[in-house]
Amino acid sequence: AQTVTQSQPEMSVQEAETVTLSCTYDTSESNYYLFWYKQPPSRQMILVIRQEAYKQQNATENRFSVNFQKAAKSFSLKISDSQLGDTAMYFCARGSQGNLIFGKGTKLSVKP
Amino acid sequence: DTGVSQDPRHKITKRGQNVTFRCDPISEHNRLYWYRQTLGQGPEFLTYFQNEAQLEKSRLLSDRFSAERPKGSFSTLEIQRTEQGDSAMYLCASSPFVGTLGSPLHFGNGTRLTVT
Repeated sequence: AQTVTQSQPEMSVQEAETVTLSCTYDTSESNYYLFWYKQPPSRQMILVIRQEAYKQQNATENRFSVNFQKAAKSFSLKISDSQLGDTAMYFCARGSQGNLIFGKGTKLSVKP
Repeated sequence: DTGVSQDPRHKITKRGQNVTFRCDPISEHNRLYWYRQTLGQGPEFLTYFQNEAQLEKSRLLSDRFSAERPKGSFSTLEIQRTEQGDSAMYLCASSPFVGTLGSPLHFGNGTRLTVT
């Protein structure tokens, strides 16, 4: 089975600190994308960041960056300068032709 | 861009009844997806359309589930003879298909189904 695993069900971080969320995946495809989505409480899921598997350079979006290790099939998300608004469920997902396979999520709480 | 719209937001039904959900994608998006999300889990893929063609269905999509996207615009997801195990959040998403991989999905707020 081609799965996505998030090993941290819950995490917490102090405001302004840095936190890293882990994700590993399994795939037999050579070309694919990886995504992190954020789902705030009672709100819709939104894209945080995406990474193309054939690109060596790690993607960055403002305070969000990834550490993509293709050989290890690892795709972690680093959130710098955490803000209260970052409190949410974070889902890692792997996709190819648009069918995304999601992990079970990590609940992140940012504490003041 | 008004976003992906789903209706209704909540649906409570009795076991054995049929329910239908509607999704209106972002107007210029030609791909539309349905996912199901249960408490404490990530979204599970159900099916997706490119324009009016249903291109892929998950094994999760039993014969009680049917989805349509007439004319390649809005989509409906019908569940017949609902069971308590169908209780979940049903998410719709859309994306533009520009011939490359990795177009991000834009999600709606979901329809929460409770089967009593």
